[in-house]
Amino acid sequence: GAVVSQHPSWVICKSGTSVKIECRSLDFQATTMFWYRQFPKQSLMLMATSNEGSKATYEQGVEKDKFLINHASLTLSTLTVTSAHPEDSSFYICSAMSVRDSKDTQYFGPGTRLTVL
Amino acid sequence: AQTVTQSQPEMSVQEAETVTLSCTYDTSESDYYLFWYKQPPSRQMILVIRQEAYKQQNATENRFSVNFQKAAKSFSLKISDSQLGDAAMYFCAYRPYNTDKLIFGTGTRLQVFP
Repeated sequence: GAVVSQHPSWVICKSGTSVKIECRSLDFQATTMFWYRQFPKQSLMLMATSNEGSKATYEQGVEKDKFLINHASLTLSTLTVTSAHPEDSSFYICSAMSVRDSKDTQYFGPGTRLTVL
Repeated sequence: AQTVTQSQPEMSVQEAETVTLSCTYDTSESDYYLFWYKQPPSRQMILVIRQEAYKQQNATENRFSVNFQKAAKSFSLKISDSQLGDAAMYFCAYRPYNTDKLIFGTGTRLQVFP
């Protein structure tokens, strides 16, 4: 149980285009989803917290107009990187917390590698 | 601000042996959660073990156990009977009691030699 999927797993795009990444909780409902960014050989940095039906809360230094987050249902959150530039190339990971999980554990997706040319 | 420190960038262990990964954290809170996550080459983050700060008993999950020293703000992970499949990056994470946010350490890369 507690499986989180991400799509796509790998995407290459041209500079200036937008890319959408999906995060789905497959076998549970998630009130809260999180988006992280991980640079090579570094730790995970929280970008934003996404609650179903409300606006995302962004961490300091994260441009909310560049990284658009939508959490339209209890099983789906999307991250759209708008006007992508090479410096946006990174590994993006989402996680989800179950509505009914009393341990409040975050379950992670497999990540999406974004390469901007 | 809360911080998590993993002072060992890399560790290695022989198969079937025991290894301990260190983690310290800084907080003024009394209630919080601590986690160890494993990130294998596939990059999928997997929860290894979790500890509630109010519990004095150290958490154990099969071959994985922790040494939680609240006063010292230390949370080390012991892996017993190491297996080749244990090779991965291990991240220590802290979560304040009143938020859902995880604060990760910088990670320790564990190599397991046959």
